[in-house]
Amino acid sequence: KNQVEQSPQSLIILEGKNCTLQCNYTVSPFSNLRWYKQDTGRGPVSLTIMTFSENTKSNGRYTATLDADTKQSSLHITASQLSDSASYICVVSASGKLQFGAGTQVVVTP
Amino acid sequence: DAGVIQSPRHEVTEMGQEVTLRCKPISGHDYLFWYRQTMMRGLELLIYFNNNVPIDDSGMPEDRFSAKMPNASFSTLKIQPSEPRDSAVYFCASSSDGRDSPLHFGNGTRLTVT
Repeated sequence: KNQVEQSPQSLIILEGKNCTLQCNYTVSPFSNLRWYKQDTGRGPVSLTIMTFSENTKSNGRYTATLDADTKQSSLHITASQLSDSASYICVVSASGKLQFGAGTQVVVTP
Repeated sequence: DAGVIQSPRHEVTEMGQEVTLRCKPISGHDYLFWYRQTMMRGLELLIYFNNNVPIDDSGMPEDRFSAKMPNASFSTLKIQPSEPRDSAVYFCASSSDGRDSPLHFGNGTRLTVT
């Protein structure tokens, strides 16, 4: 069983709308949690990194939250744009190793 | 900075042939990682280096896979002999430290073994 579970698996949203992606993890001991954006045919690009003591971090229209007690994180996309269409991958660092989620595929339609 | 550079971008080869994938990390990054991505298994770590020394190769599927880092600016991943199940996208990534810094990925090599 994957120790980093993402939901939903995919979603379609209208341009300009907001959406929230979820990440639940069971790995420990926890070091940090990362969100990456992967465009089709490209490598993943880092959006945010949060340590245990941080519960929110923003990068432009992307805002990540972290609840280390419940082992949950979310990535909120505000005022979505067509360029936000991509796969979003949650990655948890624990014991020097990175555990990758399967990703959420986001499609933004005009 | 040009970022992590991988070559080739696409590789099509026949089963049994040797395949060599290449990576140039970001200058000054001490850590280099090789990942494989498939639809079924997502991103999987194959091996990583610290200061050109292999640290963890437990993700390398079998003896057909080997990786080298002869210097700080170059690494190779070799598959010999290749098999159809090796078809995947192979990513190289580098980072300035192995713990809290983000990984910088290249754009990958899409390998197809027929």
